[in-house]
Amino acid sequence: GENVEQHPSTLSVQEGDSAVIKCTYSDSASNYFPWYKQELGKGPQLIIDIRSNVGEKKDQRIAVTLNKTAKHFSLHITETQPEDSAVYFCAASSGFGNEKLTFGTGTRLTIIP
Amino acid sequence: DADVTQTPRNRITKTGKRIMLECSQTKGHDRMYWYRQDPGLGLRLIYYSFDVKDINKGEISDGYSVSRQAQAKFSLSLESAIPNQTALYFCATSALAGGLSTDTQYFGPGTRLTVL
Repeated sequence: GENVEQHPSTLSVQEGDSAVIKCTYSDSASNYFPWYKQELGKGPQLIIDIRSNVGEKKDQRIAVTLNKTAKHFSLHITETQPEDSAVYFCAASSGFGNEKLTFGTGTRLTIIP
Repeated sequence: DADVTQTPRNRITKTGKRIMLECSQTKGHDRMYWYRQDPGLGLRLIYYSFDVKDINKGEISDGYSVSRQAQAKFSLSLESAIPNQTALYFCATSALAGGLSTDTQYFGPGTRLTVL
């Protein structure tokens, strides 16, 4: 089955700086890669996703890049703000017809004011 | 997401007790999931259901059972709770729209279960 590794497990950055979280996956059939943000006391919430036919996707301060050859994808947050502090999870699935997501182990991001 | 509710939000129980966690959704989604979250392990899939008559085991189904009472309701049971089932449990839903998978899963607020 799919295995998703996520690094780092914790990350602290100064407010205004950029943060990068990286994930690798094992199953070459995976074609859907979402990122979820989990705030304290809440369930994970989708913040951005990418499919394997796209190399990069951006939404305001958040971007995701995908390298299918190397089987890794990354989340980039620019101009970080205190409200970006949360736990971030990457995930992978083979998409259509298979809704099972395999999650990474999470990254606790702390923005230092 | 307020469209996905879980009850109870917190539960403390003793070893050997039967526990049921409930999930309801008003999103009209066909697909529902139960996950378990442990520190440092991320979210792991326990069971999932693509419709009322379809139940599938996930990665860690041993010691758990589920019931899909209706499209909107999906319950998780621990038949005889043990301490290593202490964890945060999440229900999630997703839709199959127009024959194409949307993949996006919407999570409930979670149930914190402690087994003593």
